[in-house]
Amino acid sequence: GAVVSQHPSWVICKSGTSVKIECRSLDFQATTMFWYRQFPKQSLMLMATSNEGSKATYEQGVEKDKFLINHASLTLSTLTVTSAHPEDSSFYICSVAGDKPYEQYFGPGTRLTVT
Amino acid sequence: KQEVTQIPAALSVPEGENLVLNCSFTDSAIYNLQWFRQDPGKGLTSLLLIQSSQREQTSGRLNASLDKSSGRSTLYIAASQPGDSATYLCAVLRQGGADGLTFGKGTHLIIQP
Repeated sequence: GAVVSQHPSWVICKSGTSVKIECRSLDFQATTMFWYRQFPKQSLMLMATSNEGSKATYEQGVEKDKFLINHASLTLSTLTVTSAHPEDSSFYICSVAGDKPYEQYFGPGTRLTVT
Repeated sequence: KQEVTQIPAALSVPEGENLVLNCSFTDSAIYNLQWFRQDPGKGLTSLLLIQSSQREQTSGRLNASLDKSSGRSTLYIAASQPGDSATYLCAVLRQGGADGLTFGKGTHLIIQP
């Protein structure tokens, strides 16, 4: 399966600042990548679908101007949390969908803490 | 809107027992179903994937079944070991490669040595 990395693995930032999270597909060219968010004791919730060369598709309730997604190449997608607030503190995890039957491969996640 | 429910939310059993984790989903129009394992503070490890046309998949001590028409899947773990302790997540894919997964809240499993 695809090997997916994320950077950084954890980050602490101050309220009002922006933070960028990278998701890389190391051995698979991914036209589509996904971003999920997981709050403590909760399940993963899909935030957006990242499409190489086009705009991301956001799930209902996710602010596209706050969570900026750029799928710069077939191996890299970035998620920028702009003007972060403490309620944005969460575990952010990305995935890559392989070829059929579209098994999804996940990165190790990024723990974001906003103080 | 697809909803995925996992029962039980938590389970603690002695080492060596066989156990069953349950997953149900409300919309049977799925492309596939995946079972994942998540260790505390870590990402997800894919355990098994069942395509909508399949009934079950096996990997080692793990066996997953799928009854798409009734919206149910089970994950069977044989001869449990302390190393199996983790949260197990069930997720369904709706349309295929361009779609994200819908997850359940997971079953937190503890295997007592």
